Amino acid sequence: NAGVMQNPRHLVRRRGQEARLRCSPMKGHSHVYWYRQLPEEGLKFMVYLQKENIIDESGMPKERFSAEFPKEGPSILRIQQVVRGDSAAYFCASSPSRTGSLETFGSGTRLTVV
Amino acid sequence: KNQVEQSPQSLIILEGKNCTLQCNYTVSPFSNLRWYKQDTGRGPVSLTIMTFSENTKSNGRYTATLDADTKQSSLHITASQLSDSASYICVVKTGSNTGNQFYFGTGTSLTVIP
Repeated sequence: NAGVMQNPRHLVRRRGQEARLRCSPMKGHSHVYWYRQLPEEGLKFMVYLQKENIIDESGMPKERFSAEFPKEGPSILRIQQVVRGDSAAYFCASSPSRTGSLETFGSGTRLTVV
Repeated sequence: KNQVEQSPQSLIILEGKNCTLQCNYTVSPFSNLRWYKQDTGRGPVSLTIMTFSENTKSNGRYTATLDADTKQSSLHITASQLSDSASYICVVKTGSNTGNQFYFGTGTSLTVIP
């Protein structure tokens, strides 16, 4: 069991480019969560997805950010037209069920916008 | 307003000593409370999860307590080791049926010195 796999580990983008962050949940996990950790700040919830469905996106910025979890393949967090303020560590977590189970986190993707 | 507050913000202790970290929350409705350990540059690792009816839960040298009446939790670390140096994050999950909302504390930074 390889755990939650995130790639790339580090991503550098110029302002205005697009960033695509990938998350492969643990085997058997159908629930995926994305979090953002800004420098010197705590983790903040962004979005919760199940296969082919966005369940809760209340933590997602209204513009430029989108997430998907297709039937096949990893979950993708997409940031369009990145700005310097998007520089952060983005963590993905997965769980086998909706309630009562601890999530397993990936090692994160560190996005740097230059 | 749903909030999670942790104290102290940082703590330095000698190897072998015990310590207690605090978490106060105002999140409602309450579903469960989790403690995570996050090493610098790594993803969080789950330590414990406690529901409304649980008062104490242990995981090795880590013991978490929950007082749902006063909305307080503590994480006690016994016989600290150098590898315990990390950020410890308290997370409260709401019981909303419309989605999953996670509220993160900003963490306590623990440094264990020899």
